[in-house]
Amino acid sequence: AQSVTQLGSHVSVSEGALVLLRCNYSSSVPPYLFWYVQYPNQGLQLLLKYTSAATLVKGINGFEAEFKKSETSFHLTKPSAHMSDAAEYFCAVSEGNTDKLIFGTGTRLQVFP
Amino acid sequence: GAGVSQSPRYKVAKRGQDVALRCDPISGHVSLFWYQQALGQGPEFLTYFQNEAQLDKSGLPSDRFFAERPEGSVSTLKIQRTQQEDSAVYLCASSSQGGGPETQYFGPGTRLLVL
Repeated sequence: AQSVTQLGSHVSVSEGALVLLRCNYSSSVPPYLFWYVQYPNQGLQLLLKYTSAATLVKGINGFEAEFKKSETSFHLTKPSAHMSDAAEYFCAVSEGNTDKLIFGTGTRLQVFP
Repeated sequence: GAGVSQSPRYKVAKRGQDVALRCDPISGHVSLFWYQQALGQGPEFLTYFQNEAQLDKSGLPSDRFFAERPEGSVSTLKIQRTQQEDSAVYLCASSSQGGGPETQYFGPGTRLLVL
């Protein structure tokens, strides 16, 4: 079965600093990988997804992620954090013929002024 | 256009009560998913529909959980004889078609509290 691991349940950065949220996956087949963001009392919004077309994936709000097969990683980065980036971030892998998503436990990002 | 909507947004139930949670997917979306998100956790898959067919219900935690999508659009997740451990946010998502890395669009969720 496929799975994802998010290292660090909480990450704190200063406004303007680099954001790095870690995700490692376990999959026996080439995976489809996703990053979602969840703001308080809202549903999940897709930031970006990897579908094997390109290893560096650019998403919304200045986020990007790089698929590294050798490291089984799909870390999310943003060069300069903004206060509005404060939220919960989830890495996910799709599984099986139904493409159901298997989520990590999430990383809460705090941004300090 | 309109996104995925869910109702009610909040539900408080006494232990033992039955509840019904509704999901209106994006119009024309073939695939519909239900997830359960416990406090402080990531969402966990419950069940999947392609049109009106329930193709995967492997995530339903017990036979008290039942989902349907009779006309291939609106879906209802029903929980019978609710227990305290059922307290969670129930998320619905839809995507345009099954197969391949389609983006799932999520609703705001229904927060269920069982007392």
